[in-house]
Amino acid sequence: DAGITQSPRHKVTETGTPVTLRCHQTENHRYMYWYRQDPGHGLRLIHYSYGVKDTDKGEVSDGYSVSRSKTEDFLLTLESATSSQTSVYFCAISSVDSNQPQHFGDGTRLSIL
Amino acid sequence: EDQVTQSPEALRLQEGESSSLNCSYTVSGLRGLFWYRQDPGKGPEFLFTLYSAGEEKEKERLKATLTKKESFLHITAPKPEDSATYLCAVQAGHSGYALNFGKGTSLLVTP
Repeated sequence: DAGITQSPRHKVTETGTPVTLRCHQTENHRYMYWYRQDPGHGLRLIHYSYGVKDTDKGEVSDGYSVSRSKTEDFLLTLESATSSQTSVYFCAISSVDSNQPQHFGDGTRLSIL
Repeated sequence: EDQVTQSPEALRLQEGESSSLNCSYTVSGLRGLFWYRQDPGKGPEFLFTLYSAGEEKEKERLKATLTKKESFLHITAPKPEDSATYLCAVQAGHSGYALNFGKGTSLLVTP
């Protein structure tokens, strides 16, 4: 299994609070991604990173920011959480060539009340 | 706009009853088509990558094929442990690194 750890695995918080999710990898892969998965939708890309301090927006980036200060860590922040951001969040990594398969963590289930 | 459509949404099979899952796609400049398996409460697990029409890949009871418009995941003599959601995703040349996922097919194999 790819060495990907997401934390926390579960979180319940209130509308308007800031939330940070962490993805940690031990594979030294260059590319890291954040997706969200909701019923009735496929996995949708939020943000991705192609190196330390190099990030770009995905399909559903509004309301989210990311940071990558080290190769192994990719943080996803909801500055002011809303109920529409209740979802399961997955981190993925892939190696040097961007069309290598992405390998996924086991997700963070986030509920915003 | 890239689109990925998987069918059926759900499939119930008896153990040993072979079938196929479909993934149809429209994309400009396909870089790769990916199949994943997802178990409840887990992240997607990589199965196959297909890069060009005519390509086939096999793993145990699974075989993936690719044409210019669709991909099939053939499941031969399935077992209950093959029960999962199967996800298809495409990567297009114009979108850089993003994977565009279908909504998945939920497969249940009963003894």
